[in-house]
Amino acid sequence: DTGVSQDPRHKITKRGQNVTFRCDPISEHNRLYWYRQTLGQGPEFLTYFQNEAQLEKSRLLSDRFSAERPKGSFSTLEIQRTEQGDSAMYLCASSPSGGEVRADEQFFGPGTRLTVL
Amino acid sequence: GQNIDQPTEMTATEGAIVQINCTYQTSGFNGLFWYQQHAGEAPTFLSYNVLDGLEEKGRFSSFLSRSKGYSYLLLKELQMKDSASYLCAVRSNQAGTALIFGKGTTLSVSS
Repeated sequence: DTGVSQDPRHKITKRGQNVTFRCDPISEHNRLYWYRQTLGQGPEFLTYFQNEAQLEKSRLLSDRFSAERPKGSFSTLEIQRTEQGDSAMYLCASSPSGGEVRADEQFFGPGTRLTVL
Repeated sequence: GQNIDQPTEMTATEGAIVQINCTYQTSGFNGLFWYQQHAGEAPTFLSYNVLDGLEEKGRFSSFLSRSKGYSYLLLKELQMKDSASYLCAVRSNQAGTALIFGKGTTLSVSS
């Protein structure tokens, strides 16, 4: 299967702990996005990479959040000192870039569901 | 600010036609997307509009009016498996390539 994959699928942690999530995009896609989704809401943009460069960060991304994409392939999202308000589904998406009108269609992974106790 | 509005819930019966509306107010516009999301699953792409008019794709069609800040998703010949959340999303120039999503419309299809 060549879709977007995320690991782990579920994570339960205690408040104050650090957590790290991984996303493997579709192999030929050079754009990678992180979103957060809570129950009854649409996904909210967190950050975006083109290759290894982090080009955009949302105001939602506090200094407890950091994302990397060191080799322009997989990406990690780390949350330090987790809070109960961080409980959400964290979605990763990838897209190709190019001249086509639809080049930025984003393909989503299955998500990592984080529960902070 | 950025705002995308769509109804919270809709119900319909198998075989019927349903129209899900979306209105948006964003600082820029560079395309509107519709995604389908089944409970507990990732969103999957349905349609994309960047120019005014209707885009048809099988049982699903999407319409855009940029001057009115308005789009709709039309689902024909509804099936039970169409029960899902439908997300309207706008790509705003000022947000770069990120998508701004509405809260989604939960569609329940009954027999």
